[in-house]
Amino acid sequence: GNSVTQMEGPVTLSEEAFLTINCTYTATGYPSLFWYVQYPGEGLQLLLKATKADDKGSNKGFEATYRKETTSFHLEKGSVQVSDSAVYFCALLSGGYNKLIFGAGTRLAVHP
Amino acid sequence: GAVVSQHPSWVICKSGTSVKIECRSLDFQATTMFWYRQFPKQSLMLMATSNEGSKATYEQGVEKDKFLINHASLTLSTLTVTSAHPEDSSFYICSAEIREGTSYNEQFFGPGTRLTVL
Repeated sequence: GNSVTQMEGPVTLSEEAFLTINCTYTATGYPSLFWYVQYPGEGLQLLLKATKADDKGSNKGFEATYRKETTSFHLEKGSVQVSDSAVYFCALLSGGYNKLIFGAGTRLAVHP
Repeated sequence: GAVVSQHPSWVICKSGTSVKIECRSLDFQATTMFWYRQFPKQSLMLMATSNEGSKATYEQGVEKDKFLINHASLTLSTLTVTSAHPEDSSFYICSAEIREGTSYNEQFFGPGTRLTVL
């Protein structure tokens, strides 16, 4: 079945450090891929998305590229800020089903 | 645009009582809404898919008689936790779907409702 695997957290970084959060997926067909962010005490917000292979999603300095050959959608940011501290969820939406499948989430803590 | 609200944002109730949580799409019509449950420091687990005017589809292991879902209009879905017990304490999140043609459906999430059952 469809599944998403994320790197375990927490990830602790200093401000302005480079961020990578790994995400790989297993799916039939050609899923759409998403990164959602959950700030403390809030619901999920869509951070970025990619709907087909080689697409690059980007938003707020974050980027992720849909790599079909490695079934990956790693999240990257060149210089993190304290305000980026949150939990990040990788997710897929399979074309045949309207259900989002989430990874376990990765908590990011950025210190000044 | 594409705002989803939930009410209440938090609720505390006594064991054995029922609690209703509302999910509204404020500026769009959602034919499909989803209910998720999130345990502390864990991912979202889909509980059920709610289609306007029809019965909800529950995921395996979710008790439909305990978690009653009603999707009476294109902008409102409700989740009622019946005879709540402490183990039902959790963060409940809804989402509403916007369809873009046939290839891509985006979900917009509500801010969540924290339920604490004493």
